[in-house]
Amino acid sequence: KAGVTQTPRYLIKTRGQQVTLSCSPISGHRSVSWYQQTPGQGLQFLFEYFSETQRNKGNFPGRFSGRQFSNSRSEMNVSTLELGDSALYLCASSLQWGGDYGYTFGSGTRLTVV
Amino acid sequence: AQSVTQLDSHVSVSEGTPVLLRCNYSSSYSPSLFWYVQHPNKGLQLLLKYTSAATLVKGINGFEAEFKKSETSFHLTKPSAHMSDAAEYFCVVRPGGQNFVFGPGTRLSVLP
Repeated sequence: KAGVTQTPRYLIKTRGQQVTLSCSPISGHRSVSWYQQTPGQGLQFLFEYFSETQRNKGNFPGRFSGRQFSNSRSEMNVSTLELGDSALYLCASSLQWGGDYGYTFGSGTRLTVV
Repeated sequence: AQSVTQLDSHVSVSEGTPVLLRCNYSSSYSPSLFWYVQHPNKGLQLLLKYTSAATLVKGINGFEAEFKKSETSFHLTKPSAHMSDAAEYFCVVRPGGQNFVFGPGTRLSVLP
């Protein structure tokens, strides 16, 4: 079966612009979470959605937002981009939310802000 | 607060020798613990997970990890390293259904 699909794979944006990243989970998976990966900060949790509702949120400014659609696909939006937002953004999906379910990760979207 | 410590930022082994990647955690709740691997320019792949069943957990590609509550450790091992094991390894704790907390990662190099 198809894995977690993230689009686009690479993105270059200018400071001040906004960007939307997309994540399609594995068929049947209802939970989607987002992570930011940078060399300096490592992997940091952004937020998690389940049944179109945000269940958990990490410690990121309000410029970072997300949503989940009825088909479980999710989008992440970053407004007023800063140079420090350059990172690999990873999406992960799971059958359910919470508990001990493992997550399947996509290959990520590499965002470069110039 | 929950945290994960990976004691080595870089481990180098020769092909065919054992691998040991160390992980210690702190958690206020009974946690679920995971090991993920990330190859260059790829997403993360689940190697194995501990969810309060057997303390010795077997994963994919010959990896296994042992949960030791008294030592708050969850070290990852493999009897014999292969060149394809070279990657970044992340120890992850999920305390009581809360957010995943990732360790800083250990880069494994495998020498021929």
